Amino acid sequence: NAGVMQNPRHLVRRRGQEARLRCSPMKGHSHVYWYRQLPEEGLKFMVYLQKENIIDESGMPKERFSAEFPKEGPSILRIQQVVRGDSAAYFCASSPPMGQGSNQPQHFGDGTRLSIL
Amino acid sequence: QQQVKQSPQSLIVQKGGISIINCAYENTAFDYFPWYQQFPGKGPALLIAIRPDVSEKKEGRFTISFNKSAKQFSLHIMDSQPGDSATYFCAAGTGRRALTFGSGTRLQVQP
Repeated sequence: NAGVMQNPRHLVRRRGQEARLRCSPMKGHSHVYWYRQLPEEGLKFMVYLQKENIIDESGMPKERFSAEFPKEGPSILRIQQVVRGDSAAYFCASSPPMGQGSNQPQHFGDGTRLSIL
Repeated sequence: QQQVKQSPQSLIVQKGGISIINCAYENTAFDYFPWYQQFPGKGPALLIAIRPDVSEKKEGRFTISFNKSAKQFSLHIMDSQPGDSATYFCAAGTGRRALTFGSGTRLQVQP
């Protein structure tokens, strides 16, 4: 499967625990975006990363949330001390490196559904 | 100013009919307007996209119409089929930056 891979598909955590969501971009893609989707709503941007760099984190809550995209391995979205309001579907998208500054289509994975008990 | 407003919230169309979904934006810096289709339990899949230098783009049964002066764009699905039943999202973006999504339209095509 050459698409964007996210895991786990479903994650259940108790309040106060940590959640780690992983995203492997499409082959050859070096730009990763994380979005959050609440039920019956559109996707809301959280963070945009390139390899080893955070480009834009304007949509990410200032506390408890962090993201990384290391030189090797998948991008990780980490949520510490989860609360009920963190329950949502988290989607990762990737885009290719060509055409610096130009529009590049974002291709999405199937998401991680996070449930907080 | 970053909002993208999408309507209608839900739409029921008979098989073979035309489905029309509308979006409006405020930020004139937006220069990329994609449409995504999402099935339950799946991620959004890119359907078709347009840039503001053209007024219309067609791919198969899907057409985007773009009105730059009105800051509006719409998706037309011709000869709608039951398999088109899904949620459709419009979005807008600038360069490589994050996409701003509309709130979605749940389309149901009745056989």
